[in-house]
Amino acid sequence: GQNIDQPTEMTATEGAIVQINCTYQTSGFNGLFWYQQHAGEAPTFLSYNVLDGLEEKGRFSSFLSRSKGYSYLLLKELQMKDSASYLCAVRPTSGAGSYQLTFGKGTKLSVIP
Amino acid sequence: DGGITQSPKYLFRKEGQNVTLSCEQNLNHDAMYWYRQDPGQGLRLIYYSQIVNDFQKGDIAEGYSVSREKKESFPLTVTSAQKNPTAFYLCASSTSPREKLFFGSGTQLSVL
Repeated sequence: GQNIDQPTEMTATEGAIVQINCTYQTSGFNGLFWYQQHAGEAPTFLSYNVLDGLEEKGRFSSFLSRSKGYSYLLLKELQMKDSASYLCAVRPTSGAGSYQLTFGKGTKLSVIP
Repeated sequence: DGGITQSPKYLFRKEGQNVTLSCEQNLNHDAMYWYRQDPGQGLRLIYYSQIVNDFQKGDIAEGYSVSREKKESFPLTVTSAQKNPTAFYLCASSTSPREKLFFGSGTQLSVL
């Protein structure tokens, strides 16, 4: 089976740093995506990790540990516009099933002044 | 600009009625997808298509149908067999399963 866990909600202060965790138990693993989704809008791509380690992209970084089934998204210098839901998604296999991403329920981040 | 266009933004269905959600992309992507999003739930895959004239069921295909007659278009029909159709529907595309998804702006479907 496929299971992805993320915290439901988080609150952080403008200018601070926040870490959003994602743990997964899937039948296989061939990559993990993070997407950002503002309310009522389309998700937009943030990062993709397939190997262990940290990927940095501006204010956003994503970390993966395949042995622990764990990833996190790190947001630095938080801005009000970062208030959104953050979706973790795992690609379980590299074959035909690789089209079927498994998404977590998303973490709703509220940034307060 | 390239992108994915979904229409309509809001749609209402009467009991026993079939409705069709439109999805068009000009990104020249081979793969297209339909997801359903319910409050407090993750995105769930309804159908996907790897290439023209081919499509596969996702996790929750019952009560839905699709077609892929053109590379650019992947319409979704919500049939009367879908007893709980109220949800936010997202269409997406990608060059391949290893690549990121590009999403449309979504259609909110409600039942009258």
